[in-house]
Amino acid sequence: KAGVTQTPRYLIKTRGQQVTLSCSPISGHRSVSWYQQTPGQGLQFLFEYFSETQRNKGNFPGRFSGRQFSNSRSEMNVSTLELGDSALYLCASGTSGGHLGQYFGPGTRLTVL
Amino acid sequence: QKEVEQNSGPLSVPEGAIASLNCTYSDRGSQSFFWYRQYSGKSPELIMFIYSNGDKEDGRFTAQLNKASQYVSLLIRDSQPSDSATYLCAVIWDDTNAGKSTFGDGTTLTVKP
Repeated sequence: KAGVTQTPRYLIKTRGQQVTLSCSPISGHRSVSWYQQTPGQGLQFLFEYFSETQRNKGNFPGRFSGRQFSNSRSEMNVSTLELGDSALYLCASGTSGGHLGQYFGPGTRLTVL
Repeated sequence: QKEVEQNSGPLSVPEGAIASLNCTYSDRGSQSFFWYRQYSGKSPELIMFIYSNGDKEDGRFTAQLNKASQYVSLLIRDSQPSDSATYLCAVIWDDTNAGKSTFGDGTTLTVKP
């Protein structure tokens, strides 16, 4: 099976802009989670989608949003970018409960200037 | 106090030795536990998961869970230089938080030839 794919791999944006990141899960996986990874905060949960519905949301401002399509592909959007949004954004897919673990994509490295 | 805490590290062991990585967690009912490995510049990779008290072995890796003491550990036998990476402990608390893994900050392991 193909792994989790994320596009783009690298992004450079300026403050105030918005950005959309894309994630395609492993075939058959309906759960897609998004995480932010920074050196100072580690891996922080953003949100999780299952069957096009957001099931869980982390403690991030409303500038961070997402959605999931009927084919389980997911997008994450960050509006009004701030310098502190510079991070590695990771998408992970799993089975319905995530109890068999999650499989991560390569990530999108976002730099905000 | 963080919900998931790991040895501050870094941890250095000689090649062939046993590396022991520990993780403690806050007790919030039913949990599933995971160990991920992250090489520098790469995304996390699932090593194994454990749900029940006791040991679970997979090749050179053994996960140990002690719910009474609220800790989970990972033992790596016959450590190899290729095991040098950051090891992340993760917890999924219960079905209401499916797809939401809470990660520790990770322990960086160096295996010296």
